[in-house]
Amino acid sequence: AAGVIQSPRHLIKEKRETATLKCYPIPRHDTVYWYQQGPGQDPQFLISFYEKMQSDKGSIPDRFSAQQFSDYHSELNMSSLELGDSALYFCASSFGRAEVYGYTFGSGTRLTVV
Amino acid sequence: DAKTTQPPSMDCAEGRAANLPCNHSTISGNEYVYWYRQIHSQGPQYIIHGLKNNETNEMASLIITEDRKSSTLILPHATLRDTAVYYCIVSVRYSTLTFGKGTMLLVSP
Repeated sequence: AAGVIQSPRHLIKEKRETATLKCYPIPRHDTVYWYQQGPGQDPQFLISFYEKMQSDKGSIPDRFSAQQFSDYHSELNMSSLELGDSALYFCASSFGRAEVYGYTFGSGTRLTVV
Repeated sequence: DAKTTQPPSMDCAEGRAANLPCNHSTISGNEYVYWYRQIHSQGPQYIIHGLKNNETNEMASLIITEDRKSSTLILPHATLRDTAVYYCIVSVRYSTLTFGKGTMLLVSP
């Protein structure tokens, strides 16, 4: 079965650089969620999109932005990277109301800022 | 959002049942109980969810108390590959899952 695809799997950037993470949801899934997981931390919700519109916002820094495109894939753009942005970034997708159907997570992108 | 309380860690012998408890005393009537697990550095994996009734699937069983203030995830025959952090989540708001502190389950030979 098709899963949530994230790219790249690994990314190394220097401080103050920018990074773009991509997420391709399961076909027919209309909702995308982004989570950040720092070393030894639990996943923290960043932002979500439903039908290409932002649906919820969590602890996403102002330096980050995201969008969902017409094909439902999503991109997380991160600017002025800081060392503290080093983390695993997970994308999840769902169809319809997630509290009924649940999420499917991707394998994540490991971002290292040096 | 309803909060959950889980033990920080549990041990289980391979082949035995693993029973992971979760307290969610402030759960509201329309909130579901979700269980996810995360094997080291992999994306969280959906296990099971329920509203009021007990649920079972190929991975696990979910037992929810009648007052819905607590639940138990049961892995009937734990294997080494079940070693993971298990998250009980009931804080669903506008379809957002909020992860708290889960239970690190260590399955030993």
